Amino acid sequence: SAVISQKPSRDICQRGTSLTIQCQVDSQVTMMFWYRQQPGQSLTLIATANQGSEATYESGFVIDKFPISRPNLTFSTLTVSNMSPEDSSIYLCSVGGLFMNTEAFFGQGTRLTVV
Amino acid sequence: DAKTTQPNSMESNEEEPVHLPCNHSTISGTDYIHWYRQLPSQGPEYVIHGLTSNVNNRMASLAIAEDRKSSTLILHRATLRDAAVYYCILRAYNQGGKLIFGQGTELSVKP
Repeated sequence: SAVISQKPSRDICQRGTSLTIQCQVDSQVTMMFWYRQQPGQSLTLIATANQGSEATYESGFVIDKFPISRPNLTFSTLTVSNMSPEDSSIYLCSVGGLFMNTEAFFGQGTRLTVV
Repeated sequence: DAKTTQPNSMESNEEEPVHLPCNHSTISGTDYIHWYRQLPSQGPEYVIHGLTSNVNNRMASLAIAEDRKSSTLILHRATLRDAAVYYCILRAYNQGGKLIFGQGTELSVKP
C-alpha cells in the first residue's frame, strides 16, 4: 500500500496567479499521476510524471498551463498557472497500479477555488 | 480505450445487499475489470478487481459475466458509510498504469 499526502488541502486564489500543489508518497514509486476533478464531474487524467524525465500530458492539457516536477521517487508537484475561475477543481495525485492487476492509491486531493 | 456504462445513480436501504451493474461490451480478452469508489470529500479508493472469475474480498464481491461484457459489484450489507460514487474501470495492458474514469454510479444508502 501507499500513503499519499497532498498540500495544500484547499486554497482560494486570485485569477492570474499560480498555485503549486505538492504530493508526497511514503514509498518510492516509478510513476505518479495527476488528475483533475471539476465540480460534480468524474476524474480526468492530466499527466503522468516519471522521475528523471518530462511528464507526459493527456490530450487537452499542456505543460505551460500545468508544469510538473518530479525531483525524486517520492515527491511531485503540479503547478496550475495563470489561473482562471474555470480552473476551480479538485486536483488529485495518484500512485501505484502500474500493472493491470494491481491497485492504485490516491491522495485526498487539493480543492482549488479561483476568484 | 474500452468504455464502461453505469447507471448514474442507485439507491439502497441500510443493511440490504446492493448490486451495482457495469456494461463493458467492447472489453478485450486481456482487460482487467476494476472498481473504485469515492466517498464524499475524499480521493478514490480501490474496491476490487477481476479478470474472468468472480472475486471476493473484505469489502465486496465482483461477479463477472461469462462473456465478460458486463460485471456486477456486490455490497453484501450496505451501510451508511458505503454511500459514494462507484467507478467501474477497464485496465488494459498498454495503459501504463493510467486509470480512465467514467461517470460512475452515485450510491445513496437510506437508514
